[in-house]
Amino acid sequence: EIVMTQSPATLSVSPGERATLSCRASQSVSSNLAWYQQKPGQAPRLLIYGASTRATGIPARFSGSGSGTEFTLTISSLQSEDFAVYYCQQYNNWPPEYTFGQGTKLEIK
Amino acid sequence: QVQLQESGPGLVKPSQTLSLTCTVSGGSISSGSYYWSWIRQPAGKGLEWIGRIYTSGSTNYNPSLKSRVTISVDTSKNQFSLKLSSVTAADTAVYYCARLHPTRNYYYYYMDVWGKGTTVTVSS
Repeated sequence: EIVMTQSPATLSVSPGERATLSCRASQSVSSNLAWYQQKPGQAPRLLIYGASTRATGIPARFSGSGSGTEFTLTISSLQSEDFAVYYCQQYNNWPPEYTFGQGTKLEIK
Repeated sequence: QVQLQESGPGLVKPSQTLSLTCTVSGGSISSGSYYWSWIRQPAGKGLEWIGRIYTSGSTNYNPSLKSRVTISVDTSKNQFSLKLSSVTAADTAVYYCARLHPTRNYYYYYMDVWGKGTTVTVSS
């Protein structure tokens, strides 16, 4: 099983500032990495796939980078609606076994 | 635009079988090269992938749940379903269904559309 580790567990940032979230895989997942945003009481929403491609309708302030085992999600200028929990997920291994990180809670400072 | 909706009993007794259905609307479950998947999330915890199915009936399951999970598809009803047997309190969670979208090489898949989720509690 590929273990995904996110850091930090909680990130406190002021609106308008930049947030940087990290995700590490226990072995290479190439670029088969997605990021999801989840707000309380809602389903996860796809933000990024292929490590760096924004999903349809996702604002340009969200960007993803990395490959192999180290990945980053950057939110360039935080809006009030961005405060949520963010999960990374790998979809690289065969047979398929999709694994998620434990999540980073992005809270208002 | 494709939408997914989970349905099923919200309360299941220990040792019984949890059964959920995901109804796909806004498109045919058979169109495109998609897989269809189940994921769960215990309250206050992270996400766990349960398994996936293709419209041909081909399935893959999380090894940790494989002995108790069956996922099936009914293309005539535009639905796919989850059965989880011998449930315990540890199976209490919000259960989501999701569509798996292929990458360009059609070898890898990521979850691009999710249902809103349904809460299942295992209790006597």
